[in-house]
Amino acid sequence: DARVTQTPRHKVTEMGQEVTMRCQPILGHNTVFWYRQTMMQGLELLAYFRNRAPLDDSGMPKDRFSAEMPDATLATLKIQPSEPRDSAVYFCASGLFLGLAGGPGGLDTQYFGPGTRLTVL
Amino acid sequence: TQLLEQSPQFLSIQEGENLTVYCNSSSVFSSLQWYRQEPGEGPVLLVTVVTGGEVKKLKRLTFQFGDARKDSSLHITAAQPGDTGLYLCAGAIKDMRFGAGTRLTVKP
Repeated sequence: DARVTQTPRHKVTEMGQEVTMRCQPILGHNTVFWYRQTMMQGLELLAYFRNRAPLDDSGMPKDRFSAEMPDATLATLKIQPSEPRDSAVYFCASGLFLGLAGGPGGLDTQYFGPGTRLTVL
Repeated sequence: TQLLEQSPQFLSIQEGENLTVYCNSSSVFSSLQWYRQEPGEGPVLLVTVVTGGEVKKLKRLTFQFGDARKDSSLHITAAQPGDTGLYLCAGAIKDMRFGAGTRLTVKP
């Protein structure tokens, strides 16, 4: 049963500390997304990659957030320095891009990981 | 302003009741998806609708895509406590965007 995995599941840190969240997409998926979910804003797209190349990171605060895919099996989202307003659940999702044959965004579907619940004190 | 507006934001009903939740936009989508999210988990895809006016059924859930492909509805018949969760609609123009969701609670 293929799943997207995320680590850590929970992270509590103090303001100013660096936070790194990791995601292992489903093997064979060529598109990886990072989302942030809060009660106030809902589910927001932060960045996404296709074939490991960043396609869009316009939803991400550039001064403190960075997203990378060092290889096809690992995506990372880093916050440095972290702030209390970054407290949220961060989801990674992966999918297979089919282009015109796909659904929204040309994807087959998105499979979400269980999320990392981040609390910045 | 959300690209996709969902209503109601919260809904609490008794087991056995019927309900409808809505997803509206001023934009036209080539397709639209509905997800359900349970506490502590990521959203899980329920359905994709593609054609204007399309109706899809998934057991007690009925999904409809508006004729103009700007809106969609989800109707649940005889709701059960297991239907409790956050229902999200999602569509893409350039990138995938999600609505804020309808948080449904079904009481036994």
